[in-house]
Amino acid sequence: EPEVTQTPSHQVTQMGQEVILRCVPISNHLYFYWYRQILGQKVEFLVSFYNNEISEKSEIFDDQFSVERPDGSNFTLKIRSTKLEDSAMYFCASSADRDNQPQHFGDGTRLSIL
Amino acid sequence: GNSVTQMEGPVTLSEEAFLTINCTYTATGYPSLFWYVQYPGEGLQLLLKATKADDKGSNKGFEATYRKETTSFHLEKGSVQVSDSAVYFCALSPPGGYQKVTFGTGTKLQVIP
Repeated sequence: EPEVTQTPSHQVTQMGQEVILRCVPISNHLYFYWYRQILGQKVEFLVSFYNNEISEKSEIFDDQFSVERPDGSNFTLKIRSTKLEDSAMYFCASSADRDNQPQHFGDGTRLSIL
Repeated sequence: GNSVTQMEGPVTLSEEAFLTINCTYTATGYPSLFWYVQYPGEGLQLLLKATKADDKGSNKGFEATYRKETTSFHLEKGSVQVSDSAVYFCALSPPGGYQKVTFGTGTKLQVIP
């Protein structure tokens, strides 16, 4: 079964540094998403992306964050000037369409900010 | 706005016991409802879904029925196994839109032999 793949599985970064989390969605999917899960808390929506633009974003997704689909396969989340509170598990997801098609999630990238 | 409330965990059961994890939701219209499972050290996997009232989603012995009248989507399994130990998330996505999924807080299930 096709999978969403995320790299790296664990990223350790110094506070203030930039980090890029990478995702390869399922190949025929058109809608892409990022979520995060701070340890012990619920999974929170960050952003959705379709047709090379952001379609919806949450309050968490401020100017520190950006997303990009640099080529036909990758979908990236960039966090500029990381803060301690950015430490979390970041999940990428994709779906085939927006109407009743479930999102498929990757295994996540654990981001640790020191 | 949309929200999902699920029972607090952890839930500890003996192998072959009956499982119920309660989930209720608040949403406008008819959202799609999901249960996701997160095994230790892994990502979120879709367990089952239901897209309209009275639909029953089922997978791997787990079932949940979309109850519009009670705005509920309780997860059940007749006989749990040790391998079912995981965190279970109830979730919804709104009708139309771009499927921003709203998750519950998760319920940790531990099954002991």
